[in-house]
Amino acid sequence: QVQFVQSGAEVKEPGASVKVSCKASGYIFSNYALHWVRQAPGQRLEWMGWINAGNGDTKYSQKFQDRVTFTRDTSASSGYMFLTRLTSEDTALYYCARGYVDSRPLAGWGPGTLVTVSS
Amino acid sequence: EVVLTQSPVTLSVSPGDRATLSCRATQSVSSDLAWYQQKPGQAPSLLISGASARSTGIPARFSGSGSGTDFTLTISSLQSEDFAVYFCQQYNNWPLTFGGGTKVEIK
Repeated sequence: QVQFVQSGAEVKEPGASVKVSCKASGYIFSNYALHWVRQAPGQRLEWMGWINAGNGDTKYSQKFQDRVTFTRDTSASSGYMFLTRLTSEDTALYYCARGYVDSRPLAGWGPGTLVTVSS
Repeated sequence: EVVLTQSPVTLSVSPGDRATLSCRATQSVSSDLAWYQQKPGQAPSLLISGASARSTGIPARFSGSGSGTDFTLTISSLQSEDFAVYFCQQYNNWPLTFGGGTKVEIK
């Protein structure tokens, strides 16, 4: 069974950075891509990009590409999302999800990590 | 990017009744359309991909149809566990995009 454990809620000040982790189990981590999707309060789900867990290749949404970095640790079956220069608009629930490097649906999502940006 | 518009925003339905949800794209996404269910406090769960193919374990009362720009999710006879928010998502073009969601609530 595909499962994810994400890191705990974070509260950050504007201008700070945040790192969210996502530990996968129930499948061969390096055989898939790990996508990141966020959901701000009252807003629709927003795709941020993916990392190929096998070779570390990344693809970022143009909206985030100058502020976000995805990494992974295959030995820990874990992925990480690092977002810089936070503003209040980055307050959201951040999900990791299992997918592919080509365009396919996301089958298997983490529980989400709440990031709150507030002074 | 492809914008997906879902309607209605809220659908009030009695248990046992049929629910019909719509998702419209600003450009053709072929059949590269998925539907997700999200219950309060939970992550989205994939119901349907390829516009009409149910994921493993999804009951037959859920059905999807459409192609191009217009898609429909139908729940033939609503059960108590089906009251949730439903999102559509296109994966024909990058970036992946999602609809705004339809909340199916108990009438």
